Amino acid sequence: QTVVTQEPSFSVSPGGTVTLTCGLSSGSVSTSNYPSWYQQTPGQAPRTLIYSSNTRSSGVPDRFSGSILGNKAALTITGAQADDECDYYCLLYMGSGIWVFGGGTRLTVL
Amino acid sequence: EVQLVESGGGLVQPGGSLRLSCAASGFTFSTYAMYWVRQAPGRGLEWVSTISASGGSTYYADSVKGRFTISRDSSKNTLYLQLNGLRAEDTAVYYCAKRGVPPASYYFDYWGQGTLVTVSS
Repeated sequence: QTVVTQEPSFSVSPGGTVTLTCGLSSGSVSTSNYPSWYQQTPGQAPRTLIYSSNTRSSGVPDRFSGSILGNKAALTITGAQADDECDYYCLLYMGSGIWVFGGGTRLTVL
Repeated sequence: EVQLVESGGGLVQPGGSLRLSCAASGFTFSTYAMYWVRQAPGRGLEWVSTISASGGSTYYADSVKGRFTISRDSSKNTLYLQLNGLRAEDTAVYYCAKRGVPPASYYFDYWGQGTLVTVSS
């Protein structure tokens, strides 16, 4: 069974830069997994941030960027703000109609 | 404006059934694959099911295969999820989501606000 791995928690200072990663328990993440990233604040529906590894969704500030770093997908937040403090999820397409979310990263800005 | 509005959640006993609905508007419903995603209390997101634009192909997570059935009615612009054989671990907020716009469509671009399903005696 494929497991998508994310850091359970991360901390960044206001104005700082943080990179969250998304990996596979077995193998490497590639563009063929079409990595996407979602932001979720408590009690709210997820919001789409990044798709196809590095394309920002409409209305997403350019301080959010996506990439493939080595064998993982990555979400980088540059100039972190207080309202960036929430949960971030990656999503990978595994083929044959199967999708798998990572366990999520809780980001703290302090 | 794209809108997805879920309904049909509620309290159900273990072994019971429920049908969730997702009313879609603001886009050509019949041309997009649709998804159900759930989130147990205090837990992460879990993909549950996918249905193709035509409805001819469906896919399920192993955790719900054989118990849940996804369907759609393009005449009503509505997505459904039939939940049978419910278990306590199915307790979650259930979200519907829409596939992204081609060509880079391998993502979920719009989400509903969710409907809560609670399985308890």
